[in-house]
Amino acid sequence: EPEVTQTPSHQVTQMGQEVILRCVPISNHLYFYWYRQILGQKVEFLVSFYNNEISEKSEIFDDQFSVERPDGSNFTLKIRSTKLEDSAMYFCASFQGAYYGYTFGSGTRLTVV
Amino acid sequence: ELKVEQNPLFLSMQEGKNYTIYCNYSTTSDRLYWYRQDPGKSLESLFVLLSNGAVKQEGRLMASLDTKARLSTLHITAAVHDLSATYFCAVSPRRDMRFGAGTRLTVKP
Repeated sequence: EPEVTQTPSHQVTQMGQEVILRCVPISNHLYFYWYRQILGQKVEFLVSFYNNEISEKSEIFDDQFSVERPDGSNFTLKIRSTKLEDSAMYFCASFQGAYYGYTFGSGTRLTVV
Repeated sequence: ELKVEQNPLFLSMQEGKNYTIYCNYSTTSDRLYWYRQDPGKSLESLFVLLSNGAVKQEGRLMASLDTKARLSTLHITAAVHDLSATYFCAVSPRRDMRFGAGTRLTVKP
């Protein structure tokens, strides 16, 4: 069964550093997403991406965040200057159509120290 | 702003018992999803509900959708320990999803 692949599985970074989280969505999917989950809390929408541009973003997704699909396969989330409160699990998802729903990657646990 | 409310947030039940988790949402949507999450793991798709009156069953779990009432239910029949996990509903009025807070289910022997 096709999978969404995320790397790294765990990243530890110093506050103020830039991080890039990587995702390889399912190849024939057209919509891509980033969600985050602070430990023990709800899953929060960050951004959706379609046709090489952001289609929607939440208020969490401020100027410190950016996404891109640099090479037609990878889908990245960049946090420019990490804060302690950015520590969370970040999930990438891709969407094929309503009938199939959304497929989530295994997540990247980001720890900001 | 779309609100998705689940209740209960915590549920402890005995093996063999039945229970229902409720998911209410605040805007029109005919697409609703249920996910399971084990601790430290990703989100596993359980059910995709795409129309009013949709009912789906998988093993001891059954999900339904009432779009007029903006309500979905996840019914657990004869719970077993393996069902212990957090269950999320998510609503998709457009092409993104917004999640409820999750129901942490613990099934005790």
